Amino acid sequence: DAKTTQPPSMDCAEGRAANLPCNHSTISGNEYVYWYRQIHSQGPQYIIHGLKNNETNEMASLIITEDRKSSTLILPHATLRDTAVYYCIVRVPNAGGTSYGKLTFGQGTILTVHP
Amino acid sequence: DAGVIQSPRHEVTEMGQEVTLRCKPISGHDYLFWYRQTMMRGLELLIYFNNNVPIDDSGMPEDRFSAKMPNASFSTLKIQPSEPRDSAVYFCASIKNRDRANYGYTFGSGTRLTVV
Repeated sequence: DAKTTQPPSMDCAEGRAANLPCNHSTISGNEYVYWYRQIHSQGPQYIIHGLKNNETNEMASLIITEDRKSSTLILPHATLRDTAVYYCIVRVPNAGGTSYGKLTFGQGTILTVHP
Repeated sequence: DAGVIQSPRHEVTEMGQEVTLRCKPISGHDYLFWYRQTMMRGLELLIYFNNNVPIDDSGMPEDRFSAKMPNASFSTLKIQPSEPRDSAVYFCASIKNRDRANYGYTFGSGTRLTVV
């Protein structure tokens, strides 16, 4: 899996958009970008993923640069409940063999949403 | 759907005792994963199953750890004998094979194990 780089921490005011960056300059053509988050004392939660097009769901938007070397997760209206560690993961979704289950979580970005 | 259910939520045991962690995956999911999370090492994959069969156990730390999946709705992770360095949060996750390219994994709430 390609290595990712994220800022260790970010702050955001409640109600404002939170933009979380991720660098993945060594991403290969068949690797997707996945975002998970982990709220304190809970298991990781899937947010969104994409290959090269921008994606949006009920939780967030994902913007991937044209060269695919970086991406941004956008929480359009952050709430206090969005305070969590956000992980950017790059991998091949259908990787077979022993690499299938290995979601490699880095240190992530601690997002703190304040009133 | 109740999601992935793990029990117990917290476990405190003495060194040398046997510990059994339990997981019930989401109905219809055919892949099940056991992860361990510590401050030092982050989230690590221990083992995963496909259709109740263990596929990759290369992440299991040592022979003291064992995992079983006797049926599609239940899995256990056993540590015998337990040691203080096994203290961690253990997560179970599941996914449906045909969804793996379109959705993420669903994780349980974890079991916080403390070995004293």
